[in-house]
Amino acid sequence: GESVGLHLPTLSVQEGDNSIINCAYSNSASDYFIWYKQESGKGPQFIIDIRSNMDKRQGQRVTVLLNKTVKHLSLQIAATQPGDSAVYFCAENTAYSGGGADGLTFGKGTHLIIQP
Amino acid sequence: SAVISQKPSRDICQRGTSLTIQCQVDSQVTMMFWYRQQPGQSLTLIATANQGSEATYESGFVIDKFPISRPNLTFSTLTVSNMSPEDSSIYLCSVLTGGIYGYTFGSGTRLTVV
Repeated sequence: GESVGLHLPTLSVQEGDNSIINCAYSNSASDYFIWYKQESGKGPQFIIDIRSNMDKRQGQRVTVLLNKTVKHLSLQIAATQPGDSAVYFCAENTAYSGGGADGLTFGKGTHLIIQP
Repeated sequence: SAVISQKPSRDICQRGTSLTIQCQVDSQVTMMFWYRQQPGQSLTLIATANQGSEATYESGFVIDKFPISRPNLTFSTLTVSNMSPEDSSIYLCSVLTGGIYGYTFGSGTRLTVV
């Protein structure tokens, strides 16, 4: 299938190391943030989300950090595996304050490459 | 989470023609969304499709170019009209469901206009 990451920033890490993927957002009114993983030929797959009333949330091998002061979001992946190779996108909206469900605004994305 | 089927999965079309993309969901959902992902780029919201009302389009997208239907709570179509090579993209359907997964995406339709 076609690669979705040809023009995106690339992060290359060794298998077993931790990865940190960063995302800056611009809308100070955003109150809901999601990280997605997109593999070649597939749609985005939910990884983890966080509401703006939190600054950290942990899942299985993943942690999301939110810094509202500087409008920055990060995704930490522990002990990266070959299957983690994909493009990662952050997304945001005003789900909790917008008065209704909005679509998502996506960040630029990062292509994560796991070196053996 | 909901399971979304998009058809076709890919197509190659002649410029000036139109293509209708179908999005079928395995459960009833209120909110459905259409996105475009240009080659090597991120996703951009085209419109929100609500059952029983006109679709709401984002800035830069118009109904004449991207007409949307939403006849029921499990189905929607997006038409890409009068196509040009600049329309070559992946078009993705997304739904908002309850539970931990929130927004779920289909696998997309990969459109190439020649």
